[in-house]
Amino acid sequence: NAGVTQTPKFRVLKTGQSMTLLCAQDMNHEYMYWYRQDPGMGLRLIHYSVGEGTTAKGEVPDGYNVSRLKKQNFLLGLESAAPSQTSVYFCASSSRDSLSGANVLTFGAGSRLTVL
Amino acid sequence: GIQVEQSPPDLILQEGANSTLRCNFSDSVNNLQWFHQNPWGQLINLFYIPSGTKQNGRLSATTVATERYSLLYISSSQTTDSGVYFCAVRSGRRALTFGSGTRLQVQP
Repeated sequence: NAGVTQTPKFRVLKTGQSMTLLCAQDMNHEYMYWYRQDPGMGLRLIHYSVGEGTTAKGEVPDGYNVSRLKKQNFLLGLESAAPSQTSVYFCASSSRDSLSGANVLTFGAGSRLTVL
Repeated sequence: GIQVEQSPPDLILQEGANSTLRCNFSDSVNNLQWFHQNPWGQLINLFYIPSGTKQNGRLSATTVATERYSLLYISSSQTTDSGVYFCAVRSGRRALTFGSGTRLQVQP
């Protein structure tokens, strides 16, 4: 049982290049999330999805696009990378809220992206 | 959106010492979680605790929802406790909002 898997783990891009980060989960979770973490800061939500075929904007969505074509996968795209997008990106997933509201996140190992 | 403040921002302990980390939040919450990020970057959920008290080994957490704060207690600290501790909260149907974390260094 792998949990949440992110690929690639490391990537260096030049300004203006595009790339896609892939997140895959094998826990049959409904909800998936993309966060970014910058030095000395907490995690900020980029986009999230509450189910297959749905996506929603988070706190810092500009410059990113996402797709959830399959329940187990959540893709994060950068169409034209900028140095400000240098960060560590974390994907997470969680089950649908229970009656108690529980929604515990399981995180991937992170993807370190550098934009030159 | 909801504001989350964690204190202290940095903490250095000798092995065996106890510590208390605090998380204040600005609105009522229906979800509060504590996470530990180890020195290799991996984030692990420690507690789901929107209210009440829970314990797991040397760690325990208490959330007083009416007063909008949560505490994480670490007893008999070990070097493996080092890392960053994050509090994350949710209000309404929004996704979790993270605090900026408490960086803990436990020295042997």
